[in-house]
Amino acid sequence: NAGVTQTPKFQVLKTGQSMTLQCAQDMNHEYMSWYRQDPGMGLRLIHYSVGAGITDQGEVPNGYNVSRSTTEDFPLRLLSAAPSQTSVYFCASSPPHGTTIYGYTFGSGTRLTVV
Amino acid sequence: KNEVEQSPQNLTAQEGEFITINCSYSVGISALHWLQQHPGGGIVSLFMLSSGKKKHGRLIATINIQEKHSSLHITASHPRDSAVYICAVSGAGKLIFGTGTRLQVFP
Repeated sequence: NAGVTQTPKFQVLKTGQSMTLQCAQDMNHEYMSWYRQDPGMGLRLIHYSVGAGITDQGEVPNGYNVSRSTTEDFPLRLLSAAPSQTSVYFCASSPPHGTTIYGYTFGSGTRLTVV
Repeated sequence: KNEVEQSPQNLTAQEGEFITINCSYSVGISALHWLQQHPGGGIVSLFMLSSGKKKHGRLIATINIQEKHSSLHITASHPRDSAVYICAVSGAGKLIFGTGTRLQVFP
């Protein structure tokens, strides 16, 4: 199994540009979520989904959109990039609690710089 | 106050030492997770706990649900254990993270 695949690994954007960070998992996990990691701030939740067609906001949702049209994919869209969105982004997936002995699986991360 | 608190923030040890990292949380949870992140690297799940204790090799994780507290122990530490260890709690499909403990183990 490939696990959780995030693309791209690196990206440089100009202020005001838009882009989509891709996240795909092949484990049939219902739960998927996006986090950003900033020095001194730890990992913070942007958006999450408990199944296809269901999404919800996390702690820092402003400037980001998500959709979950399939179980496998959970893309994160930056609508108009700002320097404050410079960060490392991680996607994660998990089966519902109680259905597995395993925890979350994380993608390898996307390092985004907005100039 | 953060919902997940970890201590210490930084930890230095000599090879072979017994290491303990603590985590306290203030919210209701489905499970508690211990994660490992090497510098510039990805995030790996070490343990998921709902109760009691789990052991994997030299790593032991415990949780006390009543006290809302968990510990991660590393026995006979090794330089390859140097990494950031992150405590997180899960519920309703999402994770809430502590800020991590940076561990350096010297030969």
